[in-house]
Amino acid sequence: NAGVTQTPKFRILKIGQSMTLQCAQDMNHNYMYWYRQDPGMGLKLIYYSVGAGITDKGEVPNGYNVSRSTTEDFPLRLELAAPSQTSVYFCASSYFAGSSNQPQHFGDGTRLSIL
Amino acid sequence: DAKTTQPPSMDCAEGRAANLPCNHSTISGNEYVYWYRQIHSQGPQYIIHGLKNNETNEMASLIITEDRKSSTLILPHATLRDTAVYYCIVRVSGNTGKLIFGQGTTLQVKP
Repeated sequence: NAGVTQTPKFRILKIGQSMTLQCAQDMNHNYMYWYRQDPGMGLKLIYYSVGAGITDKGEVPNGYNVSRSTTEDFPLRLELAAPSQTSVYFCASSYFAGSSNQPQHFGDGTRLSIL
Repeated sequence: DAKTTQPPSMDCAEGRAANLPCNHSTISGNEYVYWYRQIHSQGPQYIIHGLKNNETNEMASLIITEDRKSSTLILPHATLRDTAVYYCIVRVSGNTGKLIFGQGTTLQVKP
Protein backbone atom coordinates (compact mmCIF):
# COMPACT_ATOMS: atom_id res chain seq x y z
CA ASN A 1 0.00 0.00 0.00
CA ALA A 2 2.00 2.98 -1.29
CA GLY A 3 -0.65 5.66 -0.56
CA VAL A 4 0.67 9.12 -1.48
CA THR A 5 4.23 9.12 -2.85
CA GLN A 6 6.27 12.29 -3.16
CA THR A 7 9.58 12.67 -4.96
CA PRO A 8 12.21 13.87 -4.36
CA LYS A 9 12.45 13.84 -0.56
CA PHE A 10 15.11 16.55 -0.48
CA ARG A 11 16.32 19.11 -3.02
CA ILE A 12 18.55 22.17 -3.06
CA LEU A 13 17.97 24.69 -5.83
CA LYS A 14 19.72 27.85 -6.86
CA ILE A 15 17.74 31.08 -7.20
CA GLY A 16 16.09 31.24 -10.60
CA GLN A 17 16.18 27.51 -11.28
CA SER A 18 13.03 25.55 -11.94
CA MET A 19 11.88 22.13 -10.84
CA THR A 20 8.86 19.88 -10.57
CA LEU A 21 7.79 18.19 -7.37
CA GLN A 22 6.12 14.90 -8.12
CA CYS A 23 3.09 13.47 -6.32
CA ALA A 24 1.33 10.21 -7.09
CA GLN A 25 -1.46 8.34 -5.31
CA ASP A 26 -2.68 4.80 -5.87
CA MET A 27 -5.96 5.00 -3.93
CA ASN A 28 -8.10 6.17 -6.87
CA HIS A 29 -8.79 9.42 -5.04
CA ASN A 30 -10.39 12.16 -7.10
CA TYR A 31 -9.22 15.11 -4.97
CA MET A 32 -5.56 16.10 -4.61
CA TYR A 33 -3.86 18.98 -2.81
CA TRP A 34 -0.50 20.71 -2.45
CA TYR A 35 0.49 22.39 0.81
CA ARG A 36 3.61 24.13 2.02
CA GLN A 37 4.80 24.32 5.60
CA ASP A 38 7.28 26.92 6.81
CA PRO A 39 9.20 26.33 10.06
CA GLY A 40 6.98 26.44 13.15
CA MET A 41 3.87 27.12 11.11
CA GLY A 42 0.80 25.19 10.02
CA LEU A 43 0.26 24.01 6.46
CA LYS A 44 -0.92 26.45 3.81
CA LEU A 45 -2.80 25.31 0.71
CA ILE A 46 -1.08 26.13 -2.59
CA TYR A 47 -3.29 24.44 -5.22
CA TYR A 48 -5.86 21.73 -5.33
CA SER A 49 -7.62 19.58 -7.91
CA VAL A 50 -11.07 18.00 -7.80
CA GLY A 51 -10.39 15.71 -10.74
CA ALA A 52 -8.32 15.18 -13.86
CA GLY A 53 -8.14 18.37 -15.91
CA ILE A 54 -9.47 20.58 -13.08
CA THR A 55 -7.26 22.67 -10.80
CA ASP A 56 -7.79 25.73 -8.63
CA LYS A 57 -5.79 28.10 -6.45
CA GLY A 58 -5.46 27.83 -2.72
CA GLU A 59 -4.19 30.38 -0.20
CA VAL A 60 -0.63 30.85 -1.54
CA PRO A 61 -0.49 30.01 -5.28
CA ASN A 62 1.95 32.70 -6.45
CA GLY A 63 5.14 31.29 -7.94
CA TYR A 64 3.69 27.82 -8.55
CA ASN A 65 1.85 25.97 -11.29
CA VAL A 66 0.08 22.63 -11.33
CA SER A 67 -1.48 20.25 -13.80
CA ARG A 68 -3.67 17.17 -13.43
CA SER A 69 -3.63 15.09 -16.58
CA THR A 70 -4.39 11.80 -14.78
CA THR A 71 -6.25 10.81 -11.62
CA GLU A 72 -3.04 9.45 -10.08
CA ASP A 73 -0.57 12.31 -10.59
CA PHE A 74 -0.53 15.93 -9.46
CA PRO A 75 2.87 17.59 -10.10
CA LEU A 76 3.78 21.01 -8.68
CA ARG A 77 6.02 23.24 -10.78
CA LEU A 78 8.31 26.02 -9.55
CA GLU A 79 9.37 28.13 -12.54
CA LEU A 80 11.76 30.68 -11.02
CA ALA A 81 12.85 29.52 -7.60
CA ALA A 82 13.09 32.22 -4.92
CA PRO A 83 14.43 32.00 -1.34
CA SER A 84 10.88 32.58 -0.05
CA GLN A 85 9.93 29.19 -1.50
CA THR A 86 12.24 27.37 0.88
CA SER A 87 9.79 25.14 2.70
CA VAL A 88 8.51 21.61 3.17
CA TYR A 89 5.92 20.65 0.57
CA PHE A 90 3.20 18.12 1.26
CA CYS A 91 0.88 16.48 -1.21
CA ALA A 92 -2.44 15.00 -0.08
CA SER A 93 -5.37 13.17 -1.62
CA SER A 94 -8.90 12.26 -0.63
CA TYR A 95 -12.08 10.77 -2.02
CA PHE A 96 -15.09 13.01 -2.25
CA ALA A 97 -18.51 12.08 -3.54
CA GLY A 98 -21.47 14.28 -2.78
CA SER A 99 -21.59 14.71 0.97
CA SER A 100 -18.89 12.16 1.73
CA ASN A 101 -16.24 13.49 4.09
CA GLN A 102 -13.30 11.21 3.68
CA PRO A 103 -10.07 12.40 5.34
CA GLN A 104 -7.05 13.56 3.41
CA HIS A 105 -4.04 11.25 3.21
CA PHE A 106 -0.65 12.96 3.17
CA GLY A 107 2.69 12.08 1.67
CA ASP A 108 5.98 12.31 3.59
CA GLY A 109 6.91 15.66 2.09
CA THR A 110 9.63 17.22 -0.05
CA ARG A 111 12.13 19.40 1.78
CA LEU A 112 13.20 22.17 -0.59
CA SER A 113 15.93 24.75 -0.01
CA ILE A 114 16.54 27.68 -2.35
CA LEU A 115 20.01 29.20 -2.05
CA ASP B 1 -14.63 29.78 6.75
CA ALA B 2 -14.70 28.82 10.39
CA LYS B 3 -11.51 29.53 12.33
CA THR B 4 -10.19 27.42 15.17
CA THR B 5 -8.35 28.41 18.35
CA GLN B 6 -6.07 26.00 20.19
CA PRO B 7 -3.60 26.42 23.04
CA PRO B 8 -0.06 26.53 21.66
CA SER B 9 1.28 23.82 23.95
CA MET B 10 0.28 21.23 26.53
CA ASP B 11 2.00 18.60 28.66
CA CYS B 12 0.66 15.21 29.62
CA ALA B 13 2.05 12.41 31.78
CA GLU B 14 2.61 9.09 30.06
CA GLY B 15 -0.30 6.72 30.64
CA ARG B 16 -2.72 9.50 31.48
CA ALA B 17 -5.47 10.85 29.27
CA ALA B 18 -4.57 13.82 27.10
CA ASN B 19 -7.43 16.27 26.56
CA LEU B 20 -6.81 18.76 23.78
CA PRO B 21 -9.34 21.60 23.50
CA CYS B 22 -10.40 23.52 20.39
CA ASN B 23 -12.70 26.49 19.95
CA HIS B 24 -14.59 26.95 16.67
CA SER B 25 -17.30 29.42 17.60
CA THR B 26 -18.11 30.43 13.98
CA ILE B 27 -18.61 26.91 12.66
CA SER B 28 -21.49 26.43 10.23
CA GLY B 29 -24.12 23.73 10.60
CA ASN B 30 -22.74 21.52 7.83
CA GLU B 31 -19.02 21.86 8.63
CA TYR B 32 -17.13 18.95 10.11
CA VAL B 33 -14.42 19.13 12.75
CA TYR B 34 -11.27 17.21 11.83
CA TRP B 35 -8.24 16.37 13.93
CA TYR B 36 -4.82 15.62 12.50
CA ARG B 37 -1.42 15.28 14.09
CA GLN B 38 2.10 15.77 12.81
CA ILE B 39 5.05 13.93 14.29
CA HIS B 40 8.60 15.18 13.71
CA SER B 41 7.63 17.15 10.57
CA GLN B 42 6.27 14.02 8.88
CA GLY B 43 3.13 14.33 6.80
CA PRO B 44 0.01 15.04 8.88
CA GLN B 45 -1.82 11.94 10.08
CA TYR B 46 -5.59 11.81 10.23
CA ILE B 47 -6.99 11.02 13.69
CA ILE B 48 -10.75 11.50 13.75
CA HIS B 49 -13.59 13.73 12.58
CA GLY B 50 -17.16 14.50 13.55
CA LEU B 51 -20.18 16.67 12.87
CA LYS B 52 -22.45 16.72 15.91
CA ASN B 53 -22.19 13.47 17.81
CA ASN B 54 -19.25 12.27 19.84
CA GLU B 55 -16.99 9.93 17.92
CA THR B 56 -14.53 7.23 18.95
CA ASN B 57 -12.04 5.15 17.01
CA GLU B 58 -8.95 3.11 17.81
CA MET B 59 -6.82 6.23 18.21
CA ALA B 60 -8.96 8.75 20.07
CA SER B 61 -12.33 10.13 21.08
CA LEU B 62 -13.85 13.39 19.89
CA ILE B 63 -16.28 15.25 22.12
CA ILE B 64 -18.24 18.07 20.45
CA THR B 65 -20.33 20.41 22.58
CA GLU B 66 -24.04 20.62 21.91
CA ASP B 67 -23.75 24.13 20.46
CA ARG B 68 -20.80 22.87 18.31
CA LYS B 69 -18.70 25.87 19.26
CA SER B 70 -15.94 23.79 20.79
CA SER B 71 -14.59 20.28 20.87
CA THR B 72 -12.06 18.16 22.76
CA LEU B 73 -9.79 15.45 21.41
CA ILE B 74 -9.09 12.76 23.98
CA LEU B 75 -6.14 10.37 23.80
CA PRO B 76 -7.15 7.91 26.52
CA HIS B 77 -3.71 6.59 27.48
CA ALA B 78 -1.01 8.86 26.10
CA THR B 79 2.37 7.35 25.23
CA LEU B 80 5.68 9.02 24.38
CA ARG B 81 4.93 8.33 20.71
CA ASP B 82 1.90 10.62 20.94
CA THR B 83 4.20 13.63 21.29
CA ALA B 84 3.28 15.71 18.25
CA VAL B 85 1.57 18.85 16.98
CA TYR B 86 -2.21 18.37 16.96
CA TYR B 87 -4.33 20.34 14.52
CA CYS B 88 -8.03 21.00 14.97
CA ILE B 89 -9.52 21.93 11.60
CA VAL B 90 -12.97 22.86 10.41
CA ARG B 91 -13.39 21.67 6.86
CA VAL B 92 -14.31 24.40 4.44
CA SER B 93 -17.97 24.15 3.46
CA GLY B 94 -18.73 23.28 -0.14
CA ASN B 95 -17.36 20.51 -2.32
CA THR B 96 -13.67 21.40 -2.44
CA GLY B 97 -12.67 19.39 0.63
CA LYS B 98 -10.13 22.07 1.54
CA LEU B 99 -8.64 22.09 5.02
CA ILE B 100 -7.38 25.30 6.65
CA PHE B 101 -4.59 24.53 9.11
CA GLY B 102 -3.85 26.74 12.10
CA GLN B 103 -0.71 26.47 14.22
CA GLY B 104 -2.01 23.61 16.33
CA THR B 105 -1.17 22.45 19.85
CA THR B 106 2.22 20.94 20.60
CA LEU B 107 1.55 18.04 22.96
CA GLN B 108 4.54 16.86 24.98
CA VAL B 109 4.03 13.50 26.67
CA LYS B 110 6.42 13.12 29.57
CA PRO B 111 7.57 9.92 31.30
